[in-house]
Amino acid sequence: AAGVIQSPRHLIKEKRETATLKCYPIPRHDTVYWYQQGPGQDPQFLISFYEKMQSDKGSIPDRFSAQQFSDYHSELNMSSLELGDSALYFCASSLRTGTETQYFGPGTRLLVL
Amino acid sequence: GEDVEQSLFLSVREGDSSVINCTYTDSSSTYLYWYKQEPGAGLQLLTYIFSNMDMKQDQRLTVLLNKKDKHLSLRIADTQTGDSAIYFCAEKSGNQFYFGTGTSLTVIP
Repeated sequence: AAGVIQSPRHLIKEKRETATLKCYPIPRHDTVYWYQQGPGQDPQFLISFYEKMQSDKGSIPDRFSAQQFSDYHSELNMSSLELGDSALYFCASSLRTGTETQYFGPGTRLLVL
Repeated sequence: GEDVEQSLFLSVREGDSSVINCTYTDSSSTYLYWYKQEPGAGLQLLTYIFSNMDMKQDQRLTVLLNKKDKHLSLRIADTQTGDSAIYFCAEKSGNQFYFGTGTSLTVIP
């Protein structure tokens, strides 16, 4: 079965640069979530989209923005990167009806130097 | 946000049972989940339980839910070395998911 796809899998950037992370949800899933997981931390919710509209906002910094496109893929744009942004960024998708179980992608490991 | 708490570490011998505990705060949570994360990997859904259930069994996994005490547990029978990972419980509150701090399970051969 198709899973959540994230790209790139690894990314190295320097301070003050920008980065764009992409997420392709499981086909027919209508909701996408973004999480940030620092070393040894639990995943922290950043933002979610339902049917291409922002649904909920968590601890997403103002330097970050995200959107969901007409084909349901989502992009997380990160600007003015800081060292503390180094983390694993997970995307998850779900179907709003039923159990709404979130299925996670493999993550993008971002390293800011 | 909601508080979802877990003990940080658990060690068991191969073949024994493991019990990972979780407490949560939102009594209106409809579903509670268990995820497994291996080093450097994503979160893999193990199982979930609907809030009106007390127990759910799925092969080696047994989930117990005490809604009164807001306590969730995951029992892994016949624990294997491949079960070594971090286990996260999660609750859905509103439209957001809140994860516990994760329990690092080490299985000793």
